[in-house]
Amino acid sequence: GQSLEQPSEVTAVEGAIVQINCTYQTSGFYGLSWYQQHDGGAPTFLSYNALDGLEETGRFSSFLSRSDSYGYLLLQELQMKDSASYFCAVRASQTGANNLFFGTGTRLTVIP
Amino acid sequence: DSGVTQTPKHLITATGQRVTLRCSPRSGDLSVYWYQQSLDQGLQFLIQYYNGEERAKGNILERFSAQQFPDLHSELNLSSLELGDSALYFCASSVGGHGADTQYFGPGTRLTVL
Repeated sequence: GQSLEQPSEVTAVEGAIVQINCTYQTSGFYGLSWYQQHDGGAPTFLSYNALDGLEETGRFSSFLSRSDSYGYLLLQELQMKDSASYFCAVRASQTGANNLFFGTGTRLTVIP
Repeated sequence: DSGVTQTPKHLITATGQRVTLRCSPRSGDLSVYWYQQSLDQGLQFLIQYYNGEERAKGNILERFSAQQFPDLHSELNLSSLELGDSALYFCASSVGGHGADTQYFGPGTRLTVL
C-alpha cells in the first residue's frame, strides 16, 4: 500500500516561520503536491514538486527529497489568515498516475 | 473562486435514499475528479473522468457511480445511503488527464444522511 505522514496539528506565532513535514511511502512516485484548506472551504493548490529541491512562491516554499521520501512546506512571515489545514498529496503510479493520494492534513493555528 | 461549480451546496436526506451531486469543471478542463472528505478520513479519491471516459477509480463504493457528459459536466450518484456516507464531496478539474496538472477544487457539497 501507500502512506503519507504529516503532523496533525501545529501552532505558530504571527510573523514567525513554520515548517510542515510530510513523509511518504509509495511505489512509482511522480511528485508531491501541497494544498491549503480553510474550515468549510475547498482545497486550494499551493505547490507541486517533481524534482528534488526547493520551490519558492512568495511566502510559501516547498521542498522535496526523493531519496528520503520526504518533503516539507515552509510558511514564512505567518499571518492570521494562514490558519488552515495543509495537505500533502502524492502522485504515483500506484494511485494511477493521474491521481492524488492525500495525507490526513496538518491543522495550522497562527496565534497573535 | 476556482471556476469549478458544484450543486447543491447542502443536501440532507434519509438512509436508504439516492442523491445526485453535480459538478461543472472550469472552462477548458477535460478531467473531473470526485473526492470524499469525512472527519476521520481526510480526502479520499473516488473516481476520475477524462473527456467523458472513466480514467481511474479509487475507493468508490459499488453503491456510488458517476458519469461525465458530453458538455463535460459530471454527476456523482450515491444510492442506498448510509449514515457513514455523511461527508463533504468535492469535485476537482484539471486541464488534462495527468496528475501533474493542477487540480482545482469546487466548493463542495455537504451531504448529511439522517
